[in-house]
Amino acid sequence: EVQLVESGGGLIQPGGSLRLSCAASGFTVSSNYMSWVRQAPGKGLEWVSVIYSGGSTYYADSVKGRFTISRDNSKNTLYLQMNSLRADDTAVYYCASEQQLVLLYWGQGTLVTVSS
Amino acid sequence: QSVLTQPPSASGTPGQRVTISCSGSSSNIGSNAVNWYQQLPGTAPKLLIYSNDQRPSGVPDRFSGSKSGTSASLAISGLQSEDEADYYCAAWDDSLNGWVFGGGTKLTVL
Repeated sequence: EVQLVESGGGLIQPGGSLRLSCAASGFTVSSNYMSWVRQAPGKGLEWVSVIYSGGSTYYADSVKGRFTISRDNSKNTLYLQMNSLRADDTAVYYCASEQQLVLLYWGQGTLVTVSS
Repeated sequence: QSVLTQPPSASGTPGQRVTISCSGSSSNIGSNAVNWYQQLPGTAPKLLIYSNDQRPSGVPDRFSGSKSGTSASLAISGLQSEDEADYYCAAWDDSLNGWVFGGGTKLTVL
């Protein structure tokens, strides 16, 4: 059974850093395209970043230069390093695995609150 | 402002048929397949329709999707109270090298 479990969210002050993790089971992270998608309170879904199976990475303009997506193949885990956090980064962050242009499996999400 | 455009709300009575539209551009819907997600309050999005008109196993055939040019639509027939949720369209965007979503449509079953 495929499962994605995010962790690492919490309350952080503006300008701070946080690293989110997404532990996968039932499939191999490194063999799939993996994305982070976020949802601000009461708002819609916003794609954040993707890492291809070959290692290429892409980011939404809103996080470019501040966020870094990576993975640890030995731990079968996806990460999102978030630096210079702002209030408008407050959201539930989901990791999702992609198969053939479908974000097929999603985690339960982890809440990041950026506030002083 | 979302890249894909959806109506913010839709409604219907039990048993009715409702449709939700999703408009994009040549770099997303015009070039790639559209997927639809259903999101109940406090839960992660659930895949409802993929590749424009395909249903994952377990999704009732009351749900159907279609695409034409740079637009897509989701139809729900035989509306039920448990269909009350937020619905999102999504497509890969070749220009952005990322996923784009609609702003979401809140479906109310009257």
